[in-house]
Amino acid sequence: NAGVTQTPKFRILKIGQSMTLQCAQDMNHNYMYWYRQDPGMGLKLIYYSVGAGITDKGEVPNGYNVSRSTTEDFPLRLELAAPSQTSVYFCASSYSYRKYNEQFFGPGTRLTVL
Amino acid sequence: GQQLNQSPQSMFIQEGEDVSMNCTSSSIFNTWLWYKQDPGEGPVLLIALYKAGELTSNGRLTAQFGITRKDSFLNISASIPSDVGIYFCAGLNYGGSQGNLIFGKGTKLSVKP
Repeated sequence: NAGVTQTPKFRILKIGQSMTLQCAQDMNHNYMYWYRQDPGMGLKLIYYSVGAGITDKGEVPNGYNVSRSTTEDFPLRLELAAPSQTSVYFCASSYSYRKYNEQFFGPGTRLTVL
Repeated sequence: GQQLNQSPQSMFIQEGEDVSMNCTSSSIFNTWLWYKQDPGEGPVLLIALYKAGELTSNGRLTAQFGITRKDSFLNISASIPSDVGIYFCAGLNYGGSQGNLIFGKGTKLSVKP
């Protein structure tokens, strides 16, 4: 199993550009998550999904959109990139959502907005 | 929102020393997880705790779920250079409709050979 994969690994955007961060998992997990990690900070939840077709906002959803058309894929969309979105983005998945919410993380996408 | 206080923020130790770090919260958690993050990588799950008072080991790592359910501790015995990285605690309170992890800010561990 590849686990959780993310592409691209690095990206530089200009202010106002848009892009999609890709995330896929092959563990047949129903639950998937997007986090951002800023220097010296923990992980902040952007959006999550409890199954195909179902998504919900996390702690910091502004400026982002998600979709979940399949169990395997959970792309994150930035429509109008801003410098405040410079961060490292991690996708994660888990088998369970509540008590046994052991999340497995991808390698991350490092995004710089100039 | 809920917050986790993780300490210390960073540690510089000699190879072979033992390490202790902890997380505290003003809220009760039902689950505590400990992750390690190597530079340029995603966090990797080390230990999961599900019951107050639970003590769980994974090799040289031992973690405990505090009896008050508001704290957790991670100990690393006989540290080695590959222990270098950032250690995160994460807590989960799955009451109501919320089932999302709250992460601490991490403890950065440096090990001197």
